[in-house]
Formats: sequence, structure tokens, C-alpha cells
Amino acid sequence: NAGVTQTPKFRILKIGQSMTLQCAQDMNHNYMYWYRQDPGMGLKLIYYSVGAGITDKGEVPNGYNVSRSTTEDFPLRLELAAPSQTSVYFCASTSGGNTIYFGEGSWLTVV
Amino acid sequence: GENVEQHPSTLSVQEGDSAVIKCTYSDSASNYFPWYKQELGKGPQLIIDIRSNVGEKKDQRIAVTLNKTAKHFSLHITETQPEDSAVYFCAARPGDNYGQNFVFGPGTRLSVLP
Repeated sequence: NAGVTQTPKFRILKIGQSMTLQCAQDMNHNYMYWYRQDPGMGLKLIYYSVGAGITDKGEVPNGYNVSRSTTEDFPLRLELAAPSQTSVYFCASTSGGNTIYFGEGSWLTVV
Repeated sequence: GENVEQHPSTLSVQEGDSAVIKCTYSDSASNYFPWYKQELGKGPQLIIDIRSNVGEKKDQRIAVTLNKTAKHFSLHITETQPEDSAVYFCAARPGDNYGQNFVFGPGTRLSVLP
């Protein structure tokens, strides 16, 4: 019962580097999300998708990009990493009902 | 847009005592209010939720109350145990936009002291 799987768990990036955080869910959920969680703060929505081929910006999209080519996968791309992107990133999904299922998180440090 | 506030930011209780966390929301169209528990190094997990047509919901030691008029809802944990120690987030879903943005509160770090 995998649920929402995120990789990598931990990553250190240098300023200006790029990387992709991978997210996959095996529950056939239409809706997927990327959140960031800064220390001591709540969850801020970066991007979301309501189905394959459809994505939209959330509250804090600058510096990120997403794609949704399949129902299962929703990768988050960081271009030109900046220290302000040091955070914990959570991918989540839902069937459109009430329960959101979160992944285990990806800890990213930009130095 | 919706704004969710949460208090207190930290809460320490003795094992066996009760804990109460309160949230307020701004959008009267919000109709669904979940609570999530986040253990150290893990993603948030749903523990209880309430819809706007219900005033109270209980699940064993956990209960949630909703006051639509005042636009606030609260999480109540009775007979706290050390394993209840975690960060708790409240959230609100504006309107009937299923699958769209849940707005989260900033979280409450609960410590249950043995």
C-alpha cells in the first residue's frame, strides 16, 4: 500500500542548481498538490493539478514548475535554486473527496 | 481568499490532561474543516474532520467542535498520552471546490509530558 511516494528524501543543492522532486501516487487520484513547509510554519500551496494535463499556480509558485503527464506522477522542478527555497516539500493527493493523503516529505537545503 | 489562524502555537500538558487547539477562518463559504497530525519526520495525516452542517464530531479521545456563526472550530484531545505529542494543523476548504486549495493554519506543537 504505497500511497504517495516522494523522492528524494533529503537533498543539498548549491545556489543556481536545478533539480526535480518526484511524486507518484497509486490511488488513481485526480487531484495532486505540492506544498512547502518552512520551519514553524504551516503548509503553503505551490502548485496543484486537477487531472492529467492540467496544472495551476498556488500561493507561492515563483521559482518552481510542474507537469502532469500522467494521473500517477506530479514532479516539481526547481530552477536556479535560491536559499529561500530551503524547506520541506510535501506532495499530496485526493480523489476529490475530503481526505488529502500526504507523502513523507522531501527535505531540501540550498547552500 | 480564506485565511486560517490557529492558537496556541505551542502547548504543553501533563499526561492524562486535556488539550484544546482553536482555529478561526475568514471565508463564510468554507464548508469542510479537517485536522491533521504531523509526527516528527512524517507527512501530515488526517485525524478527524467536520462539515459545516455538523456542530460536533467525536472519535474516541478526539473531538472537534464548529461554531459557524463565530467562524471558529476547535480540536479537543482528552486523556492525553505521550504518543499524542506532534504538530497539529487545522484547515479549511473554501466552498465546494473539491480537490482545490485547502488553507492550513500555522500549526500547534503539542507536547505531552509524562
